Amino acid sequence: EAGVAQSPRYKIIEKRQSVAFWCNPISGHATLYWYQQILGQGPKLLIQFQNNGVVDDSQLPKDRFSAERLKGVDSTLKIQPAKLEDSAVYLCASSLQILAKNIQYFGAGTRLSVL
Amino acid sequence: AQRVTQPEKLLSVFKGAPVELKCNYSYSGSPELFWYVQYSRQRLQLLLRHISRESIKGFTADLNKGETSFHLKKPFAQEEDSAMYYCACSSSGSARQLTFGSGTQLTVLP
Repeated sequence: EAGVAQSPRYKIIEKRQSVAFWCNPISGHATLYWYQQILGQGPKLLIQFQNNGVVDDSQLPKDRFSAERLKGVDSTLKIQPAKLEDSAVYLCASSLQILAKNIQYFGAGTRLSVL
Repeated sequence: AQRVTQPEKLLSVFKGAPVELKCNYSYSGSPELFWYVQYSRQRLQLLLRHISRESIKGFTADLNKGETSFHLKKPFAQEEDSAMYYCACSSSGSARQLTFGSGTQLTVLP
């Protein structure tokens, strides 16, 4: 089966610019996650979707970050305006979320550098 | 709040030696514990989870609720085991979010 697809793989922007990342989950996976992974740290959850609804966005900096999953399939994560501390790898993951099948599958990530 | 601690950022062992990657968690409830691995230039992938009680690539991990630990072990390390290993904890509720540790970079020397 095809894995989680993310684009772009790399992005370099200047601070105060905006940027968007795209994610296409594994077909049939209702749950989609966005993580931020800063160098030297583990992934940190930003937002979780179940179909097209938000389950948890408590750790999303809503003054500058936004995410949507309008049709319950692919998703975009946007940062506007970017700050230097947003430099990180942004990971998308998806899962079936069926009992005893709580396995998340990760995309390759988008590496963002804010200069 | 959930918290996962991996005390070693770097761990080096020789090929054929036993290896143990430590993980401690803090969670009030019945968490589900996982080990994820990221090989060089590959994406993060599940290695094993405690409810499966299985051995994957020779690795095992036992959940010790008394010590709140979920250490990953392998009796004889191989060079291909060199990778970044992340321990993660999931809540047992419907949201099932993962909280990751900061990771341990394992290097198996020839």
